[in-house]
Amino acid sequence: DIQMTQSPSSLSASVGDRVTITCRASQSISTYLNWYQQKPGRAPKLLIYAASRLQSGVPSRFSGSGSGTDFTLTIISLQPDDIASYYCQQSHTAPCSFGQGTKLEI
Amino acid sequence: QVQLQQWGAGLLKPSETLSLTCGVSGGSFSGYYWSWIRQPPGKGLEWIGDINHGGSTNYNPSLKSRVTVSVDTSKNQFSLKLSSVTAADTAVYYCAHLSLDLHAFDFWGQGTMVTVSS
Repeated sequence: DIQMTQSPSSLSASVGDRVTITCRASQSISTYLNWYQQKPGRAPKLLIYAASRLQSGVPSRFSGSGSGTDFTLTIISLQPDDIASYYCQQSHTAPCSFGQGTKLEI
Repeated sequence: QVQLQQWGAGLLKPSETLSLTCGVSGGSFSGYYWSWIRQPPGKGLEWIGDINHGGSTNYNPSLKSRVTVSVDTSKNQFSLKLSSVTAADTAVYYCAHLSLDLHAFDFWGQGTMVTVSS
């Protein structure tokens, strides 16, 4: 199985900050990498698919990059509504797998 | 806009069978894969398995011996059964729509907390 490792596991930032979360795959997954946002008590929400494509309705302050094994999720100008946990997920090889999550706090 | 509504028992005893159902509305049921994903308290997400409208299934090898995912196309529903549950199966269980275009889970159910306790 492909292991997904996120860093950091938690992050404290201020409103307006630029925030970067990284995700590393245990083997190459091309750009089959998705990012989800999960708020407490809610289901995950798809933010970015195919490493860099913004899902419909997601604010443009979110962006993704990377290919192969190393990926990043960037939030420019952090907003209070961005407080959540963020998960990466690979869809290259079955079974699909998720990172352990990054909890973002303000 | 696809909507998923899930239901099922939330409290089980060890060795019992977990049973959840997910109803799909607002979109086509055919031509897609429908998935189950779980999240233990305070932990990350684990894919359990999926099914298409024709009944073709895929399971996570770590759970395969205990998992059955089935579909009822007449009701636009799909279901999860997980046998011989233990405390380690305590989690929030989500149903989700796998977009074959995006290769991502783009619609999710509201989640069902399932607790296994004697």
